[in-house]
Amino acid sequence: QKEVEQNSGPLSVPEGAIASLNCTYSDRGSQSFFWYRQYSGKSPELIMFIYSNGDKEDGRFTAQLNKASQYVSLLIRDSQPSDSATYLCAVTSGSYIPTFGRGTSLIVHP
Amino acid sequence: NAGVMQNPRHLVRRRGQEARLRCSPMKGHSHVYWYRQLPEEGLKFMVYLQKENIIDESGMPKERFSAEFPKEGPSILRIQQVVRGDSAAYFCASSRRESNSPLHFGNGTRLTVT
Repeated sequence: QKEVEQNSGPLSVPEGAIASLNCTYSDRGSQSFFWYRQYSGKSPELIMFIYSNGDKEDGRFTAQLNKASQYVSLLIRDSQPSDSATYLCAVTSGSYIPTFGRGTSLIVHP
Repeated sequence: NAGVMQNPRHLVRRRGQEARLRCSPMKGHSHVYWYRQLPEEGLKFMVYLQKENIIDESGMPKERFSAEFPKEGPSILRIQQVVRGDSAAYFCASSRRESNSPLHFGNGTRLTVT
């Protein structure tokens, strides 16, 4: 059974700090990795995706992938209160069906 | 333009009634996925469809639930004889043909069974 694990949190960081969100997955054959943000009562919104080992940066967001360790992370620089949400990690392997973690709740306090 | 369109946004049904949830994918997207989310829980995969074809329904309960994506019109998730445990948010997502394409989600249908 393919599993995607995230610490449920909440992760609390001060405004302006770096928030680090982590995700591990069980299927070594996983190929595609996604981060979604979900505000309470809303639908998931795609933030980033990464396919290759290493870092991928987009504005204040950086996704990091380490396939050997089966680990993907999301860094949010200069965190803002508006970043407070649940962050979902999703992983896809050969079946084309993303498996989602349960999400990490992030709280950015002023 | 449209992103993924789901309707209705909220649906209230009494136990034993039928619920029909609709989803139109983004323009250019040919793959549709349905997920269910219970409060404080993650997204659980239900079914993956292409036009006129169910690709994977391994996450669907064996009874009362069905899905379709006809040649014309939206994808439909149908729940017969609803029970209170069916109360949840149901999200539809779509993607392009490529296997590593990210999913884009609709706003969801929040089903309440009374």
